[in-house]
Amino acid sequence: TQLLEQSPQFLSIQEGENLTVYCNSSSVFSSLQWYRQEPGEGPVLLVTVVTGGEVKKLKRLTFQFGDARKDSSLHITAAQPGDTGLYLCAGAGGSEKLVFGKGMKLTVNP
Amino acid sequence: EPEVTQTPSHQVTQMGQEVILRCVPISNHLYFYWYRQILGQKVEFLVSFYNNEISEKSEIFDDQFSVERPDGSNFTLKIRSTKLEDSAMYFCASSVRGGRGTGELFFGEGSRLTVL
Repeated sequence: TQLLEQSPQFLSIQEGENLTVYCNSSSVFSSLQWYRQEPGEGPVLLVTVVTGGEVKKLKRLTFQFGDARKDSSLHITAAQPGDTGLYLCAGAGGSEKLVFGKGMKLTVNP
Repeated sequence: EPEVTQTPSHQVTQMGQEVILRCVPISNHLYFYWYRQILGQKVEFLVSFYNNEISEKSEIFDDQFSVERPDGSNFTLKIRSTKLEDSAMYFCASSVRGGRGTGELFFGEGSRLTVL
């Protein structure tokens, strides 16, 4: 059974601080996606990483896929209140099914 | 920007009743999915659909569940006889290349099902 564990599960920080979210597994994934979900809404795709060691940047967000394609991280620089939300990682393991982590709930206080 | 749309946004039903949740995927997408999220828990895969047939399903997707693409635009999830534990947010998603490709899924805003 493929599992993705995210840490931390909750984070409350002040505006301007940096943070890193981790997504770990013992399984290899062919690709890994990061989504952001607002309460009562569907997950919104942020990025997909495919190659081991890959780094992608999306404005203040930096995503990295581990060399062995078993883990990923999301780093946010200078967090803003608009970054508040639930950040989900999800892995594709060669089938149609995406395996989701439980998410990291981020609160950025002004 | 194209988006996945779902109806209804919220449905309340009595245990044992049939429910149909509807979705309009993004028009040029070929792979369609249903996921669900019980309150406070992970998003869970239910079923994938490609070329007018189920391509994969999870253990959750038992005989009480069915999916259909009745025309060129709609994709439906039917629960024949709802149980209390079916209460969840149901998300429809669509993809160009599917999970065996890049796995990029685009989700709708969800249909909240409450079974009393």
